Formats: sequence, C-alpha cells, structure tokens
Amino acid sequence: GNSVTQMEGPVTLSEEAFLTINCTYTATGYPSLFWYVQYPGEGLQLLLKATKADDKGSNKGFEATYRKETTSFHLEKGSVQVSDSAVYYCALKEVVDSNYQLIWGAGTKLIIKP
Amino acid sequence: DAGVTQSPTHLIKTRGQHVTLRCSPISGHKSVSWYQQVLGQGPQFIFQYYEKEERGRGNFPDRFSARQFPNYSSELNVNALLLGDSALYLCASSLIGRNTEAFFGQGTRLTVV
Repeated sequence: GNSVTQMEGPVTLSEEAFLTINCTYTATGYPSLFWYVQYPGEGLQLLLKATKADDKGSNKGFEATYRKETTSFHLEKGSVQVSDSAVYYCALKEVVDSNYQLIWGAGTKLIIKP
Repeated sequence: DAGVTQSPTHLIKTRGQHVTLRCSPISGHKSVSWYQQVLGQGPQFIFQYYEKEERGRGNFPDRFSARQFPNYSSELNVNALLLGDSALYLCASSLIGRNTEAFFGQGTRLTVV
C-alpha cells in the first residue's frame, strides 16, 4: 500500500544552519506530494507541494523536489531561523478506492536554537 | 474569508460517554475529512465525505461515525469513549482532486478521563 517515511526527530540545529528533512514514499500510481507544517499550538498548514516528477515546490525559503527515480521529496532550507521551529509532515495524495486520500508521515520535530 | 472552523475547541468526557464534534468547511469546499492526531504522532485518517456521501474510511472501529450535511458541514461522532480516544481531532476541507491542498481547522482537543 501507499506509505510515507520521514526521518525521525527531533532535529536540532543552530540558527542559520542548513536544513534537510528526508521523506521517501511508496505509491502504486502517481501521487501529489506535500509538506505541511504545524507550529506549536496551531493547526496544520500547507508549506509547499509538487504534483509531478521533477517539480520543485517552494515557500518561505523552503524547497522540495519531487524525485520519482528515488521516490523522495526531501525538504531543504538554506538558513533556518528560530521561528522555523515546528513539526513538519510529509504527505502524499493518491486515489484509493476512487477516493483522493492524504497519506501522512509520522512528522519530524525541528528545534532551532539561537 | 473564514477558514475551516471546528467546535468545540476543547472538551473533557468520561469513559463510556458519547461525543459529537463539528466542522464547517471553507465556503465552496465540498470535501471534508476527519483525522485523529494522538500526541507526538502524525494525523490518522478517519473519514472523508464528499457531496454528503462517505468516500473513504480509515482503520477505526464502528464506534466512530460521521455525516455531512447539505451545507457541507460535518459531524464526527464517537460512542462508548475509551481513554485511548483522547487526541486532537482535525477536520480538513478541500476542493476535490489529486492536486488540491487540504485546509485544516485548529482541531478539537478531546480528553477522556
């Protein structure tokens, strides 16, 4: 079945460090891929998405490229800030029994220290 | 524009009781999904409704049920509450389609004691 695997956290970095959060997926078809972020005490919100192979999603300095050959969608940011501290979820969306369903990773907690 | 609204924001119930959670989607969104998020874990899919019909169901017992109304709002019902039902319940609305994003409400924090 479809699944999403994320690197385990927490990931702790200093401000201005480079960030990579790994995400790999298994899917039977051609899913769309998403990164959602959950700031402390808040709901989930879309960070970026990519809908086909080689697409790059980007937002707020974060980027992720849809790599079909490696079934990956790693999240990167060149210089993190304390305000980026949150839980990041990788997800895929694919048809399951005629229904578009989001499949989620377990989440990666990111802690940025000043 | 109003986002996805959920009510109540918090509630405490006793084991064995019943609970109803409510969700109003973004105007124009006909698809509503429910998720359970246990502390420290990712969201687990419970139900999806589209045009008032159940379109998907996750691996949850029959104690969980839901419905969608003509105005596309939705209710999630949980009977015979267990301690393990304590979680954040999230509602998401979206346009239908493979590439569309889900918009989430702030969630209802349910504590079962």
